[in-house]
Amino acid sequence: GNSVTQMEGPVTLSEEAFLTINCTYTATGYPSLFWYVQYPGEGLQLLLKATKADDKGSNKGFEATYRKETTSFHLEKGSVQVSDSAVYFCALVYGNNRLAFGKGNQVVVIP
Amino acid sequence: EAQVTQNPRYLITVTGKKLTVTCSQNMNHEYMSWYRQDPGLGLRQIYYSMNVEVTDKGDVPEGYKVSRKEKRNFPLILESPSPNQTSLYFCASSRQTGVDSPLHFGNGTRLTVT
Repeated sequence: GNSVTQMEGPVTLSEEAFLTINCTYTATGYPSLFWYVQYPGEGLQLLLKATKADDKGSNKGFEATYRKETTSFHLEKGSVQVSDSAVYFCALVYGNNRLAFGKGNQVVVIP
Repeated sequence: EAQVTQNPRYLITVTGKKLTVTCSQNMNHEYMSWYRQDPGLGLRQIYYSMNVEVTDKGDVPEGYKVSRKEKRNFPLILESPSPNQTSLYFCASSRQTGVDSPLHFGNGTRLTVT
């Protein structure tokens, strides 16, 4: 089936640290991949996307590269800020705009 | 302002009392969908709609109904709520099916069934 796996547990780090959140996927064919972010009390917002192998999505200093050989789409940011504290969801689209979401990772950035 | 509006934001009800959560979008989107978010489970799709009068089951449709009589509205109906439907619910819409149409989410409805 189509599914997304995110690393377990929250991520706590200091301001200006490097952030990596792992995401791997299982899918038939070549799905499009997304990262969504959820700030406290809000719905999800699209952060970035990649539609084919080796594409790099980027936005607000975040980047993720679509790696077909490792079926991965890891999210990275070089220097996080307190305002980046949120829950991050990896997702893939399949079929008629059906999305499969990962379980999400809570990121807490400490000043 | 382009948005997806859900109401209410918070709802506490008792087992078996029918309720409706409304969802409306002002972007003329064809595609709309409902998700529930539970700790440790992420987001799971309940129902989706490709267009007016076209609805399909998602991954967890049991205990829910939807309707799409107009393009802008996609209410979620719980005919006989049960405590296991206590959750955070999100409505979302997109311009059309396909990878170039990211989802726009509402701010969520937190439902508690006692």
